[in-house]
Amino acid sequence: NAGVMQNPRHLVRRRGQEARLRCSPMKGHSHVYWYRQLPEEGLKFMVYLQKENIIDESGMPKERFSAEFPKEGPSILRIQQVVRGDSAAYFCASSPRGGRERGSYNEQFFGPGTRLTVL
Amino acid sequence: AQSVTQLDSHVSVSEGTPVLLRCNYSSSYSPSLFWYVQHPNKGLQLLLKYTSAATLVKGINGFEAEFKKSETSFHLTKPSAHMSDAAEYFCVVRGNTDKLIFGTGTRLQVFP
Repeated sequence: NAGVMQNPRHLVRRRGQEARLRCSPMKGHSHVYWYRQLPEEGLKFMVYLQKENIIDESGMPKERFSAEFPKEGPSILRIQQVVRGDSAAYFCASSPRGGRERGSYNEQFFGPGTRLTVL
Repeated sequence: AQSVTQLDSHVSVSEGTPVLLRCNYSSSYSPSLFWYVQHPNKGLQLLLKYTSAATLVKGINGFEAEFKKSETSFHLTKPSAHMSDAAEYFCVVRGNTDKLIFGTGTRLQVFP
């Protein structure tokens, strides 16, 4: 069973371009979380999605950022008109179901991350 | 609101000596707490988790952590450090809607 896949692993964009980051969850997992890690900092939650639904987007910047998790295919984190401050590592995690379902925690399995560099 | 504070940004130990990475938490209800490890340019791996069962939690690679409600602490320990333990360690608390809230990390260096 392959782990969480993210691509590309490294992405370079010039200011003003768009960045698309993809995340394929583990087989059988229907919950996806995106986190951002700025240099020398811990990870910060961005968004939590279930198939075709956004559950919690409280960590998403109000502008330029969007995320989706369609019925078929990977989850996509899209950043429009990138700026230098968007340079970071973006991690995706998946779990088989939400932690509160069935009263137990479901571990989030992390992908290797996409390192975005904005020139 | 839930939060965690990692008290040391860097910890250095000699191989074979004990490891202590400190973490304090803040939570308005009984928390779920975790320790994750991140090796350079790699993803994150779960070391151990506390979810209101036993207060002493054993994890992988010889690590363990003790939940102390009176001290609001969840320190990570290992009796004897290996060179392969050198990495970044994150103390994490689960927030509402199951998002994970990370501490700022502790970089562990292990000297031969």
